[in-house]
Parts: sequence; structure tokens; C-alpha cells
Amino acid sequence: DTEVTQTPKHLVMGMTNKKSLKCEQHMGHRAMYWYKQKAKKPPELMFVYSYEKLSINESVPSRFSPECPNSSLLNLHLHALQPEDSALYLCASSPLAGAYNEQFFGPGTRLTVL
Amino acid sequence: AQSVSQHNHHVILSEAASLELGCNYSYGGTVNLFWYVQYPGQHLQLLLKYFSGDPLVKGIKGFEAEFIKSKFSFNLRKPSVQWSDTAEYFCAVNAGKSTFGDGTTLTVKP
Repeated sequence: DTEVTQTPKHLVMGMTNKKSLKCEQHMGHRAMYWYKQKAKKPPELMFVYSYEKLSINESVPSRFSPECPNSSLLNLHLHALQPEDSALYLCASSPLAGAYNEQFFGPGTRLTVL
Repeated sequence: AQSVSQHNHHVILSEAASLELGCNYSYGGTVNLFWYVQYPGQHLQLLLKYFSGDPLVKGIKGFEAEFIKSKFSFNLRKPSVQWSDTAEYFCAVNAGKSTFGDGTTLTVKP
């Protein structure tokens, strides 16, 4: 299995809602990532987990809360988002964190905040 | 801090034309270099990567890239493009974490 899966594919939420994005991989990778991608823009790194521990937080607002329950799962909890947070949220994994690893990307969750 | 610059924002070619997409990076130390492709409606996929060794690397679907250290460049090439190569192409560097260029939209006319 060489896939990274993400659910849901689409999500529409109000600014007062609480929702979660889920990501799963079964490649035995020990690093997982969350990226945000706006239309026609590159992915922007949000968080990096290495061995289930948060290793990089790119100064992301606290309304985004990541969680790594185990080595295969990565969640992104959303609360009190703003319309400008509407974007494609990508999950990725790699064998290890660090420079010598290509990343495998999921299809993303397209989030719309009303 | 590392940065990546892709010079071509939108490239339009006819089928069978040759392709070269520019990528320059800025970083004082050793970096690893990647090209990713995002086909319409699909997820990001790795085209090719360079870590060390032969500076000319070959990837999937006939793509290749050349690392020129003195120019801080890692340009992507393909001798003859096909309509199915229409996609968004991202150059990325990784010196501990990945930084992506702004991307180049390639449109291949049949």
C-alpha cells in the first residue's frame, strides 16, 4: 500500500464549527506532515510529526490543532476558522523526517469556511 | 533560510516540443532537490529527486533534471512533451524541511 488517504474530500464549515481532518498511511513511514495549499500556489508547510511527536510548527494559528494518535494516523482539528483559511489541506508522509526523504502526498481535503 | 524560485509561471507548448522549466534555490549548505507534479484533479507526485552523485537525474515519464551547483539550479527537461504532461510543476528543496517554488503551469496543446 503506497497511498496516503485523507478524509473527507470536501468540507464546508461555519466559523463557529469544530471539525477534524484525517490522514492515514500504511507504508510504515515515521514522519507525517500537514500542508496548506491555496489555489495556484505552492503547498505551505504547517506541521511536521516525527515518531508521533510534533517536531515543526510553522507558527500556525492555534485554531489549527494537530494530533498524531499513532504512527499511521494524523489528524488536524479545526475550530473557529476564518474564511481566509479556505484552502486545500494536504497530508504527506515520508519514511523519516529530514532532508533525505521524498514525501508521499494524499489527495487533500478541500475546506471552505463560510 | 532556504528559498526556491521558478522563473516560468505559465508555459504553453505544442505536442512534441521540448521543455525546460527553470528552478533556482537559495541556501548556504547541502540541499536535496525535488520536482513534483500535480496533474489536474490529482495529488502531488514525485517526478524525480537529487541527493548526490550524478548531477543528471532521470525521473518518471521521460523527465530529467540537471543539478548545477555553481548556478544553484535544478532545471527540469523533457525532449518531447505530450498533451498528458499538462499539469502544475513544483520544484522543492529540503534542508531539513521542504520549501516549494511557486510552481509552473504547463499547458500542452494537442
